[in-house]
Amino acid sequence: DAKTTQPPSMDCAEGRAANLPCNHSTISGNEYVYWYRQIHSQGPQYIIHGLKNNETNEMASLIITEDRKSSTLILPHATLRDTAVYYCIVRVAGSARQLTFGSGTQLTVLP
Amino acid sequence: NAGVTQTPKFQVLKTGQSMTLQCAQDMNHNSMYWYRQDPGMGLRLIYYSASEGTTDKGEVPNGYNVSRLNKREFSLRLESAAPSQTSVYFCASKRGVENTEAFFGQGTRLTVV
Repeated sequence: DAKTTQPPSMDCAEGRAANLPCNHSTISGNEYVYWYRQIHSQGPQYIIHGLKNNETNEMASLIITEDRKSSTLILPHATLRDTAVYYCIVRVAGSARQLTFGSGTQLTVLP
Repeated sequence: NAGVTQTPKFQVLKTGQSMTLQCAQDMNHNSMYWYRQDPGMGLRLIYYSASEGTTDKGEVPNGYNVSRLNKREFSLRLESAAPSQTSVYFCASKRGVENTEAFFGQGTRLTVV
């Protein structure tokens, strides 16, 4: 699986959009980008995933650059409950092996 | 909907003791996984089971054994606990190898003294 690089920490004001970047410059054509988050030592929670098109669900939007070497997770209106560690993960399609977690980005939403 | 259930939630062991961490899922998922998370670190894969009857090593399998008892249950055993195994252990399950989300349990916090 391709390696990912994320900033260790970010702050965001409550109610504003949180934009979390991820670099995955060695990504292969059959690798998906996944985002999970972990709130205060709870089990990780799935957010969204995509291959090359932008994706949106009720939690977030995922923007993947055309060359697929980087992506951005967007939380459109961050709340205090969105304070968590966010993990960007790249995974080969159809692989039985599970996700490889890096250190992630600690997002702190400020009141 | 229980999802992924881990027992126990907390455990303290003495060095050299053995114990089994239990994990059960009620989503009829094929694949199950065990991770450990040390303070301030990401999750590291210990073992996984792609389907009932199969198990494979992950990144950090030394000191652990697993059993995929049936489709619902995947246990992790520490035969002789060491202080280096003090960690939070997470179990996860996933429908299969296709690109769907993984569901995680709430974790077992293990301290080895």
